[in-house]
Amino acid sequence: EAGVAQSPRYKIIEKRQSVAFWCNPISGHATLYWYQQILGQGPKLLIQFQNNGVVDDSQLPKDRFSAERLKGVDSTLKIQPAKLEDSAVYLCASSLLAGLTDTQYFGPGTRLTVL
Amino acid sequence: AQSVSQHNHHVILSEAASLELGCNYSYGGTVNLFWYVQYPGQHLQLLLKYFSGDPLVKGIKGFEAEFIKSKFSFNLRKPSVQWSDTAEYFCAVIRGGYNKLIFGAGTRLAVHP
Repeated sequence: EAGVAQSPRYKIIEKRQSVAFWCNPISGHATLYWYQQILGQGPKLLIQFQNNGVVDDSQLPKDRFSAERLKGVDSTLKIQPAKLEDSAVYLCASSLLAGLTDTQYFGPGTRLTVL
Repeated sequence: AQSVSQHNHHVILSEAASLELGCNYSYGGTVNLFWYVQYPGQHLQLLLKYFSGDPLVKGIKGFEAEFIKSKFSFNLRKPSVQWSDTAEYFCAVIRGGYNKLIFGAGTRLAVHP
């Protein structure tokens, strides 16, 4: 079974530039998550989709971050404009459903460096 | 205040030593508890989970964890570690009614041969 795919794996940009990350979840998984993991911290949920609808985006900085999941499959996360503090690993995860007992499967992440 | 606390940020052990990594959470009520592991160069993967029932849960690779409700703890244990257990370990919690994983800051484990 193929896992969660993410691209790019690494990205270096200057502050105030824009960047986009892509995620393809495990086939058939209805729920997709984007996490931000800052160095030395655990992952923090940014946004959760159930199919193509947003379930939770309470911790997404909406003035600069946006995400979409058109057609309920793959998803993109965008930062515009980037700040130095956005340097982090951005993880995508998916689960079959959104139930509390559904295991989340993580992708390899995109490491973003903002200079 | 951090809602999921992992007491040790770095742990160094020799092979065959016993391991216990602490995890405490600050939520009352029903919780689902998880340990995830990230091996060098690999993605996060589930080690074990607790939802209900027997508070001693067994996971992959000989790991186990004990849920002690009175202490709000979910410590991870392994009786004899191997070099291949070198990784970062994350404790995570889902609160009852909230389908959101809250992670601790992680513990980096280095096992020396």
